[in-house]
Amino acid sequence: AQSVTQPDIHITVSEGASLELRCNYSYGATPYLFWYVQSPGQGLQLLLKYFSGDTLVQGIKGFEAEFKRSQSSFNLRKPSVHWSDAAEYFCAGGSNYKLTFGKGTLLTVNP
Amino acid sequence: DTAVSQTPKYLVTQMGNDKSIKCEQNLGHDTMYWYKQDSKKFLKIMFSYNNKELIINETVPNRFSPKSPDKAHLNLHINSLELGDSAVYFCASSQADRAIYYGYTFGSGTRLTVV
Repeated sequence: AQSVTQPDIHITVSEGASLELRCNYSYGATPYLFWYVQSPGQGLQLLLKYFSGDTLVQGIKGFEAEFKRSQSSFNLRKPSVHWSDAAEYFCAGGSNYKLTFGKGTLLTVNP
Repeated sequence: DTAVSQTPKYLVTQMGNDKSIKCEQNLGHDTMYWYKQDSKKFLKIMFSYNNKELIINETVPNRFSPKSPDKAHLNLHINSLELGDSAVYFCASSQADRAIYYGYTFGSGTRLTVV
């Protein structure tokens, strides 16, 4: 079955530190992968997406993600975290009619 | 100009009641969805409609009945509410033939609390 897995439930980083959130996928064919962010009490906002081409994709808010087929991974990165990045992050795998989410990683940012 | 809007934002009701949540999108998308987010933040698809036609029904109890009067609207009616129905319900939309390129647009959610 197609699925995405986020191994880390909760990550804490200091403001200004770099960040990497992990996502592993299990898809038979070329996966279509997304990262969404959910701030407290808010809906989900699309950060970035991958469906083909360049394996390093840039998104909004200074985020990027790298697709690695050999590792079945699509990890999200940011070189310097801001306090406003504290939120829940979801990796998702999609088709035209269905988006399947990982269980999310809660990011806490310490001052 | 909210792209995907849901009403109400909060809903508190007693067990056994029937309630509805409404969703509207002004993006011109042809596909709409309902997702349920449980207390552990896990997001699971419930229904998917394409051009008013139900195309995904993910083993949801038949107390949940979606209705799509047109492709810009998708409502969710829940009968005989149970404590376990307490969750945040998200509506989303996409253009089916481009969803993989542009992703899905989500509403801000309806927090349902059953007491």
